Order: sequence, then structure tokens, then C-alpha cells
Amino acid sequence: DAGVIQSPRHEVTEMGQEVTLRCKPISGHNSLFWYRQTMMRGLELLIYFNNNVPIDDSGMPEDRFSAKMPNASFSTLKIQPSEPRDSAVYFCASSAGGFSRHEQYFGPGTRLTVT
Amino acid sequence: AQSVTQLDSQVPVFEEAPVELRCNYSSSVSVYLFWYVQYPNQGLQLLLKYLSGSTLVKGINGFEAEFNKSQTSFHLRKPSVHISDTAEYFCAVTKYNNNDMRFGAGTRLTVKP
Repeated sequence: DAGVIQSPRHEVTEMGQEVTLRCKPISGHNSLFWYRQTMMRGLELLIYFNNNVPIDDSGMPEDRFSAKMPNASFSTLKIQPSEPRDSAVYFCASSAGGFSRHEQYFGPGTRLTVT
Repeated sequence: AQSVTQLDSQVPVFEEAPVELRCNYSSSVSVYLFWYVQYPNQGLQLLLKYLSGSTLVKGINGFEAEFNKSQTSFHLRKPSVHISDTAEYFCAVTKYNNNDMRFGAGTRLTVKP
């Protein structure tokens, strides 16, 4: 199994530009999570999906952030417009249903730098 | 909402020494508890989990943790650490009936030769 795949691994962009982060969960997993990790705030849950439906987006910082999951094998996190304070490592994770639903598998992350 | 507190931000230890990384949680309902490890420039990897049953759980790489409901703790232990155990360790908690997992601030374990 390839694990959770994230792209790009690194992104450097200028303030005001649109940024799109991509995630492919593990095949067969029906929950997907987006996290942000910074030195100041640690690991924060931004949003999670069950069966492609957003369940809790209370962690999304503001309207500049949006996430979609058009099908079971793909999700995007978009920031428009980006700001320097959005610089962080963004992780995607997925989990299976049933008794294993709490065991999350993380991707390698996307390191975003907004200048 | 549930939350976790990791009591030590950094733990330096010599190789082959025992180590304990402390974690306390708070929640008004039953919870599941986890320890994850993050190596440099990588995502988090599950070390072990407590869902129910025996309060002593064993994980990968020789780690174990004990769930203590009365003290609301879930401390991680290893009897003898290796240089390769140097990493960031995160305690996490989720309620039994949802997927909202909350992570602690992390403990950086540094194993010295």
C-alpha cells in the first residue's frame, strides 16, 4: 500500500496567491482529515470528512480556507488569498471505518511557505 | 471538548536508559487514547492505542503505555531507548463516538550516546 499521498511536498508562494494542496487517502478508508502544524500552535485539526462529506470544519481558520472531497480518493485544501501567517506544514490523514476508525494514517505533509 | 496535556516539552536521555513521556487528558465522557511518533520531516506514525480492555497497551518499537482512569493519565514508557528513538512524540485523545482527535503539544525525545 502506498500510504497517504500528498502533493506538493513543498510549496513556496507569494502573499495573495492561491494555493491548492492535494491528498489521496489510503484506498478503502472512508474518513479524511486535514491538519496544520506550526511551532506556535502545534498540530491543529482543520476539517474532516466521512464518506466524502465534511463533518466538522470548525478548525478552519477563516473563509480564505476551503476544502473539498469530490470522491473517495481525492481531497483538496485551498487557501485564497494566502498570507505569510499561513506558512506551516499541512498534513492529510485517513482512517478506515468500524473499529479502526480512530487509527489515523498520516501523509508526509506539505510544507507551505508564503512570502 | 476533550484535551491532552503533555507535561514535558523536551526529554533528554542517554542511550539504553529508561524513559517515560507523560500525558494527562481531560474529558467528560469515555475516550480513546493514542501515542504517535513523528520523525524529522515525516508525518505522524501510530505507536499504540488504548480503546478498551487491558490498561497496559504495547506498541511498536518496544514502547508501552498505561491507561490510568483515576489519574486521567496515559504515560508512554520504554525500558531501554536507542538513538533511533529520537523524535517528537504526541499524545492524542478522541471521544469514543466521534473522529475529532485532539493532539498534545508534543514531547521532543533526544537520545544521546
